[in-house]
Amino acid sequence: LAKTTQPISMDSYEGQEVNITCSHNNIATNDYITWYQQFPSQGPRFIIQGYKTKVTNEVASLFIPADRKSSTLSLPRVSLSDTAVYYCLVEAAGNKLTFGGGTRVLVKP
Amino acid sequence: DAGVIQSPRHEVTEMGQEVTLRCKPISGHNSLFWYRQTMMRGLELLIYFNNNVPIDDSGMPEDRFSAKMPNASFSTLKIQPSEPRDSAVYFCASSLMGRGGNEQFFGPGTRLTVL
Repeated sequence: LAKTTQPISMDSYEGQEVNITCSHNNIATNDYITWYQQFPSQGPRFIIQGYKTKVTNEVASLFIPADRKSSTLSLPRVSLSDTAVYYCLVEAAGNKLTFGGGTRVLVKP
Repeated sequence: DAGVIQSPRHEVTEMGQEVTLRCKPISGHNSLFWYRQTMMRGLELLIYFNNNVPIDDSGMPEDRFSAKMPNASFSTLKIQPSEPRDSAVYFCASSLMGRGGNEQFFGPGTRLTVL
């Protein structure tokens, strides 16, 4: 059964870099890895998406090793407003879209 | 664009009652997803439509759940009869096309409480 695993929580301080790793051993060959951010009482919001190697946009970077069995979301210089739950989403073998359990990131002043 | 619109935002009902959740996707998006979020099970995909056709309903928990998409601008998720274990936040999302490789835009969700 496909399983997407990520740490339950992590704390950080303003200005630091936060790295969240998601494990997805059963990722489908042709599918992408997508990360979402969710604030309380809101729907998830797209952060970044990638297929392999490294992708960077204005808010984050995504690192994907060659075997694609994991991915790491990197949030540079976090601020208090980055406190949220972060989810990875993959399409696992068997075409099952699977969200990770979410990582609750708390940014402290 | 107003984004994905869901109604109602909150629903409280009694066990055994029928519940209908509604979703209006972003105009021009071809794919629509229904998710359920609970503390215990996290975010679960219930069903996925592409061009108004259900493609994958393997996540629908049981026959009490049904979903329809009569046209490109409207979808419903119905629970009949509802049970307390159906209490959750239900999200609708839409994307331009397909799944996996396309950004999904989520609605604000419907918080369902079944007493």
